[in-house]
Amino acid sequence: GDQVEQSPSALSLHEGTGSALRCNFTTTMRAVQWFRKNSRGSLINLFYLASGTKENGRLKSAFDSKERYSTLHIRDAQLEDSGTYFCAAESQGGRALIFGTGTTVSVSP
Amino acid sequence: DPKIIQKPKYLVAVTGSEKILICEQYLGHNAMYWYRQSAKKPLEFMFSYSYQKLMDNQTASSRFQPQSSKKNHLDLQITALKPDDSATYFCASSQELENTLYFGAGTRLSVL
Repeated sequence: GDQVEQSPSALSLHEGTGSALRCNFTTTMRAVQWFRKNSRGSLINLFYLASGTKENGRLKSAFDSKERYSTLHIRDAQLEDSGTYFCAAESQGGRALIFGTGTTVSVSP
Repeated sequence: DPKIIQKPKYLVAVTGSEKILICEQYLGHNAMYWYRQSAKKPLEFMFSYSYQKLMDNQTASSRFQPQSSKKNHLDLQITALKPDDSATYFCASSQELENTLYFGAGTRLSVL
């Protein structure tokens, strides 16, 4: 079946640095969403992309349907960026979202 | 204030019993969903509803029955509970089926 492979599973960053999370898809996906789990367990939507790139503050996401991947870049990491990030993709044929396994980001001083 | 309310936050049940998980959204959305996250597994889609009609069902077991009494409600009834049903169940909504999802805080269910 359709799958989403998210990496890395854990990421440690120092304040002010940056890195990228990546999701690879086994088939062509129609769109991708990125979420962060907040302290109450809710999943907060960060980005929704059907193509191209979007930027919001220190976060930037890209989605390439043809190459079957999406990325989430964090720059100038801050302590409040710590949390678990998920990507989720919509397959071409279905309405269901397929989630990655998550990346736990830890930002330290 | 949370716009998607899930109740209860924690739920403990005995094997074989029946429980109802409550979800209400105050975002004016037309589509609602249930997802499940079991330990060490990715979040898993269960159901989607649009205008109170079932649109997609990826749950193999008929023990899971969504109930939509009002447009902004989508409860989840689970019968004949099993320990494997232990998971956090997330409700979500979106303006329409293919729009951005917004999630509730989840109900953590433990079946003993």
